[in-house]
Amino acid sequence: ETGVTQSPTHLIKTRGQQVTLRCSSQSGHNTVSWYQQALGQGPQFIFQYYREEENGRGNFPPRFSGLQFPNYSSELNVNALELDDSALYLCASSGLAGSTDTQYFGPGTRLTVL
Amino acid sequence: DAKTTQPNSMESNEEEPVHLPCNHSTISGTDYIHWYRQLPSQGPEYVIHGLTSNVNNRMASLAIAEDRKSSTLILHRATLRDAAVYYCILRVSSNTGKLIFGQGTTLQVKP
Repeated sequence: ETGVTQSPTHLIKTRGQQVTLRCSSQSGHNTVSWYQQALGQGPQFIFQYYREEENGRGNFPPRFSGLQFPNYSSELNVNALELDDSALYLCASSGLAGSTDTQYFGPGTRLTVL
Repeated sequence: DAKTTQPNSMESNEEEPVHLPCNHSTISGTDYIHWYRQLPSQGPEYVIHGLTSNVNNRMASLAIAEDRKSSTLILHRATLRDAAVYYCILRVSSNTGKLIFGQGTTLQVKP
């Protein structure tokens, strides 16, 4: 059973640029959630994708967007990067949206915005 | 979203039990109590969850107060590998089942 993988591991961008982060969900999981974790803080929910549709969103602006593909992998896109977007971006997959099933997290992508 | 309160940090000696407390006085009847931990440079990892009754698994035990306003994660024999940030999370079976993380408790384990 393959776990959740994310790419790239690290990324450096400049303010105003756009970035795409990728996540492959665990085998058999159809739901992917994305979280942002600033240094020293707990992860904050960005949004969730279930069967290729957005299925709930946290308090993040529209420049944070995502996609889910038929194989349930997912992308997080951030436009017009700001310095405060520097964080660890985590994705988590689970077997069923809306349940209390365990979420399995990937190792994260560390984004630095200069 | 219901909130949880945890101590910022705790220390333990290796091979001794550790009791990590969590207060959740605004918990509702449908909120599950979940614990995740995050080891350095890794994503969070599921530890255990429960609703009303105490729960045990290979990693830990979860003791839930009768009024459900508090709970305690118990690591029976702490090892150096248990040094991590432990998050107590109330999770509603909503349309997303999203996790609402707080600050967590940083556990240090001394050899």
